[in-house]
Amino acid sequence: ILNVEQSPQSLHVQEGDSTNFTCSFPSSNFYALHWYRWETAKSPEALFVMTLNGDEKKKGRISATLNTKEGYSYLYIKGSQPEDSATYLCASNTGTASKLTFGTGTRLQVTL
Amino acid sequence: GAVVSQHPSWVICKSGTSVKIECRSLDFQATTMFWYRQFPKQSLMLMATSNEGSKATYEQGVEKDKFLINHASLTLSTLTVTSAHPEDSSFYICSATAGLDTQYFGPGTRLTVL
Repeated sequence: ILNVEQSPQSLHVQEGDSTNFTCSFPSSNFYALHWYRWETAKSPEALFVMTLNGDEKKKGRISATLNTKEGYSYLYIKGSQPEDSATYLCASNTGTASKLTFGTGTRLQVTL
Repeated sequence: GAVVSQHPSWVICKSGTSVKIECRSLDFQATTMFWYRQFPKQSLMLMATSNEGSKATYEQGVEKDKFLINHASLTLSTLTVTSAHPEDSSFYICSATAGLDTQYFGPGTRLTVL
């Protein structure tokens, strides 16, 4: 994998559903994988920064896992709520305070 | 949490004019700031990295004379699009870091060049 790729591109779920997205990234020269939540007209909000293979992080109903050997990360949302509607971005970088290479994002819409 | 502001949030200008966009870290000192650009249906792409008090480092394909970056203090970086043309119309967004792993983003600026 040469670029950061995210799937699916968009997702439409109902309130209460659990969902997950995938981020694939180059495993060579890997330093960290970042997840952001981006609501329209707002700043992207940092969710997680993950560096170690096997890392698992959780923030409320949102959690993420990391596999650096195969170059992928999953983001899980349990019991989706309408306020979870946003674009979820992942990005990787090769060192502290180094540039982020972004995927195109997964756009999540949660309806009642 | 760390807050980054960006001004203006949107701007419309005539072809040939220059536009300045400000990026400020409000509650922390940003040793490094980044400027990204996003075209429709594409990912955020880094344009340049700036460290306080030194010249910005531009990514390949980004014209440094067209996109002037100044990082004069630990809380302010500016991006000036000189002699803007319609093809410069895009979404510009900055991020800032205090030297740790997380980059904190501003809300972005939508530039439209007529």
